[in-house]
Amino acid sequence: EADIYQTPRYLVIGTGKKITLECSQTMGHDKMYWYQQDPGMELHLIHYSYGVNSTEKGDLSSESTVSRIRTEHFPLTLESARPSHTSQYLCASSEFSKLFFGSGTQLSVL
Amino acid sequence: GENVEQHPSTLSVQEGDSAVIKCTYSDSASNYFPWYKQELGKGPQLIIDIRSNVGEKKDQRIAVTLNKTAKHFSLHITETQPEDSAVYFCAASIRSGGGADGLTFGKGTHLIIQP
Repeated sequence: EADIYQTPRYLVIGTGKKITLECSQTMGHDKMYWYQQDPGMELHLIHYSYGVNSTEKGDLSSESTVSRIRTEHFPLTLESARPSHTSQYLCASSEFSKLFFGSGTQLSVL
Repeated sequence: GENVEQHPSTLSVQEGDSAVIKCTYSDSASNYFPWYKQELGKGPQLIIDIRSNVGEKKDQRIAVTLNKTAKHFSLHITETQPEDSAVYFCAASIRSGGGADGLTFGKGTHLIIQP
């Protein structure tokens, strides 16, 4: 069982709010990722990190930002949430090419 | 960049029958092909993978085959059971052993096992 945790599990907020989605892993992995999963199931890489103080944008442009101050922690922030940000957000870490996913945060912006 | 096509998008089979999900990729340099299973309310989980120097790999009821010439690979599940119901993703990467940022996913197949 992968030791990667995401909170909250579900989040419903109003437009314009600032939110932070939390992601933590206890496996000591250097590489971590954020994926956005649309209702049609497709996975889109939006951010990744190769280690502390390393952050890169993924294939899908996103208005969110990430930080990596500690190896185990990779939070995602939306400064001003909009309905278009409604989606499932999955955090993952990797060992070599194998990804370990958290259970996700389902975000709904009203 | 790499493009991975996955078919079908939905597959319904009777319990006990076999299921086959097919993927094609575009970049001949791709050398690593994992399959992930996503159960309802959970994140995807790696179930099997294959590297380009191998044509077939089996793990109990699941198997993956790779045809490098045709640039396609398939997931085979035999003797399907209700717990096989899930969304399955194929993926391809040109960086075997490297980071997963080089991984391109297919759009997923929703497998439904009918009792």
